[in-house]
Amino acid sequence: AQKVTQVQTEISVVEKEDVTLDCVYETRDTTYYLFWYKQPPSGELVFLIRRNSFDEQNEISGRYSWNFQKSTSSFNFTITASQVVDSAVYFCALSERTGNQFYFGTGTSLTVIP
Amino acid sequence: SAVISQKPSRDICQRGTSLTIQCQVDSQVTMMFWYRQQPGQSLTLIATANQGSEATYESGFVIDKFPISRPNLTFSTLTVSNMSPEDSSIYLCSVGKNRDPGEKLFFGSGTQLSVL
Repeated sequence: AQKVTQVQTEISVVEKEDVTLDCVYETRDTTYYLFWYKQPPSGELVFLIRRNSFDEQNEISGRYSWNFQKSTSSFNFTITASQVVDSAVYFCALSERTGNQFYFGTGTSLTVIP
Repeated sequence: SAVISQKPSRDICQRGTSLTIQCQVDSQVTMMFWYRQQPGQSLTLIATANQGSEATYESGFVIDKFPISRPNLTFSTLTVSNMSPEDSSIYLCSVGKNRDPGEKLFFGSGTQLSVL
């Protein structure tokens, strides 16, 4: 079974619209970590945020915000007032305390249309 | 942070040949990983490159096909051997400063491989 599910394969929005990227995870560990990465056309994955399982506080960083809800095993990512530079593939990932690897979702390709 | 230089950035290869991808980090790191990203798909871990010992391969990946070297704490290579078109993919080097599962990973810009 997929440990990380990103149901949205592709999303297109017009510049300045808000957009939310969904991420649902599955784990039996009580201690785990969730991540979001951005992969622009250049190919390099850029780290955006990390959350541990004991910290359910939502976080805001500029136009980016993250909503972590353990009750629904979700870690959603919202971009406010989207810009063309936000166009990229976004990956959600899970790391478990008992494991040695990251589990990545299949990614959401976001296109922001000017 | 860690700056990762991955070479080559892209290559087009003939079936049956081999390609070695290099990953150089600007600082010493404990963990180095190799991932494969097939077109339009997620990242799949190939192996963990262990310094001074054999790499640890994930299910579905074998040393004969993907030999890995890691001579020191800043450098690793991945070889894709006896290539077939199914090996066409992006190969990514990733590093972690230590063994903490909560630590973020840093990624190289990848090697886009096309096999004819």
